[in-house]
Amino acid sequence: GAVVSQHPSWVICKSGTSVKIECRSLDFQATTMFWYRQFPKQSLMLMATSNEGSKATYEQGVEKDKFLINHASLTLSTLTVTSAHPEDSSFYICSASPFGYEQYFGPGTRLTVT
Amino acid sequence: DAKTTQPTSMDCAEGRAANLPCNHSTISGNEYVYWYRQIHSQGPQYIIHGLKNNETNEMASLIITEDRKSSTLILPHATLRDTAVYYCIVRVNSNSGYALNFGKGTSLLVTP
Repeated sequence: GAVVSQHPSWVICKSGTSVKIECRSLDFQATTMFWYRQFPKQSLMLMATSNEGSKATYEQGVEKDKFLINHASLTLSTLTVTSAHPEDSSFYICSASPFGYEQYFGPGTRLTVT
Repeated sequence: DAKTTQPTSMDCAEGRAANLPCNHSTISGNEYVYWYRQIHSQGPQYIIHGLKNNETNEMASLIITEDRKSSTLILPHATLRDTAVYYCIVRVNSNSGYALNFGKGTSLLVTP
């Protein structure tokens, strides 16, 4: 149980375009989902906290107008990278919690902006 | 959340026990010790967590010192598939959910 999926697993896009990444909890409902970003050889860094039915809370230094988060249901959160640039190339990972403390992570999405 | 300190890297021979230490000297009474691991290019995987008692599950054992200032994750019979970065995280538990603060972790290499 407690499976989190992400789609797509990898994506290549041209600079200036937008990319949407989906995060789904497959067998549980998650009021809160989290989005992390990981650059090569670095640790995961929290980008934002996504709450179902309300606006996401962004960490300091993360542009909310560039990284649009929508948490429309208890099983789906989406991250849209708008006007992507090469520096946005990274590994994006979401997590969800069925009970509030044990977190389950998705497999990640590798974004490459050319 | 309390800060944790872990060695940057460790090696372990396949079949032997891997003992991964973590220091968390500023841990508060209501903070739990969590361990996650991340295999290359995958999402993190939950391993185990505990408050003050030692814990064991099908993946690992967690030994927490009596003063709770440090802990050790034990993989009893390491396999090549256990090669990963292991993160020790200290945090409170809450039904509202808290994000995890990942430090640099320990890169464990299991060798044949």
